[in-house]
Amino acid sequence: EAEVAQSPRYKITEKSQAVAFWCDPISGHATLYWYRQILGQGPELLVQFQDESVVDDSQLPKDRFSAERLKGVDSTLKIQPAELGDSAMYLCASSLSPTGELFFGEGSRLTVL
Amino acid sequence: AQKITQTQPGMFVQEKEAVTLDCTYDTSDQSYGLFWYKQPSSGEMIFLIYQGSYDEQNATEGRYSLNFQKARKSANLVISASQLGDSAMYFCAMREGPMDSNYQLIWGAGTKLIIKP
Repeated sequence: EAEVAQSPRYKITEKSQAVAFWCDPISGHATLYWYRQILGQGPELLVQFQDESVVDDSQLPKDRFSAERLKGVDSTLKIQPAELGDSAMYLCASSLSPTGELFFGEGSRLTVL
Repeated sequence: AQKITQTQPGMFVQEKEAVTLDCTYDTSDQSYGLFWYKQPSSGEMIFLIYQGSYDEQNATEGRYSLNFQKARKSANLVISASQLGDSAMYFCAMREGPMDSNYQLIWGAGTKLIIKP
């Protein structure tokens, strides 16, 4: 069982609706990542946090996506409004440090209708 | 240009046979690392094996070994004595830069491996 917790595991929503995903990293892990994985492709980094600060969000579509890690522990990724092309698996990963091994959660699978 | 190329979208292998999953990479860095991850249908990415660019020996972890050919820029994963539970997607990924630096993983498109009983 993955030690990085993610919820919900599955989400079906209609386009233009808002959706949010939650991630709780392994205790003590300062670095947290959100990836998007479209079916049949490898993961794509959306955002990297170091504690509560964003290190890299260059691939995050900021017009509709937002991510926060207010207390440097758990994190929320939000999409508003959702579009059909957002259907994907959203993976959260954490590591002790930016140079450390990544540990992944089981992901949140989003379907936008 | 693709930095990580996995040329096999899918593979069928008979149980107990060995299987090689191909991965070629492109980088101009001298210091880099190559990872293999397994992703079962449950979705979690499971780390399998790592090879650093300066490692002289090919990495091994149980039934997994990495056939690292630096001059050819290839890092193929070999699974010996395949088992039904090995059926999954397999991803090759690369980090560029020294080990003690902040890095991001660059991922291949994956290979879907199905083990036949």
